[in-house]
Amino acid sequence: AQTVTQSQPEMSVQEAETVTLSCTYDTSESNYYLFWYKQPPSRQMILVIRQEAYKQQNATENRFSVNFQKAAKSFSLKISDSQLGDTAMYFCAFTNYGGSQGNLIFGKGTKLSVKP
Amino acid sequence: GAGVSQSPSNKVTEKGKDVELRCDPISGHTALYWYRQSLGQGLEFLIYFQGNSAPDKSGLPSDRFSAERTGGSVSTLTIQRTQQEDSAVYLCASSFAGGNYNEQFFGPGTRLTVL
Repeated sequence: AQTVTQSQPEMSVQEAETVTLSCTYDTSESNYYLFWYKQPPSRQMILVIRQEAYKQQNATENRFSVNFQKAAKSFSLKISDSQLGDTAMYFCAFTNYGGSQGNLIFGKGTKLSVKP
Repeated sequence: GAGVSQSPSNKVTEKGKDVELRCDPISGHTALYWYRQSLGQGLEFLIYFQGNSAPDKSGLPSDRFSAERTGGSVSTLTIQRTQQEDSAVYLCASSFAGGNYNEQFFGPGTRLTVL
């Protein structure tokens, strides 16, 4: 079974600093997608960044970047220049490439607090 | 256009009652997903629709749970004889098509509380 593990239930960071959220996953598939989603108190899940497993280059989206280590099955999220609006739950997620459904498998989340 | 909408936003019910949760996907999205988020847990996949068909219902936690989708649009998740362990946030997502990668857009969820 495919699983996603987030080992940091809660983290905090000072505004303008950098923080890294960890995620590991387990799969026997060789092609898949990985995602980081943000869930603010409004409950609306927002896609932050995605990574295709067949791409060696780490994905970046503005202040958000990932460190994808396929052999280690690790997928961490780095948030640079943290802003108060980054305060939220962050979920790491996985889906098979080429699967007929495309449903996401989520970790339990990391609660990030950005302090002024 | 409008995003995914869900109703009601919050639902409080008594143990043993039936509840219906509604999801309106983004227009034109053929794939629709239901997830459950229990307190302190990640999201658990429940069921997937491609059009009006649900090819895999194995994610539904018990036979008290059922879902349907009509007209390739609105979906309803029904929980019969609710139990306290059903208390959770139920999230719906839609995407342009199922399979491979098509970004899933989530609704704001329905928070269900079973007393």
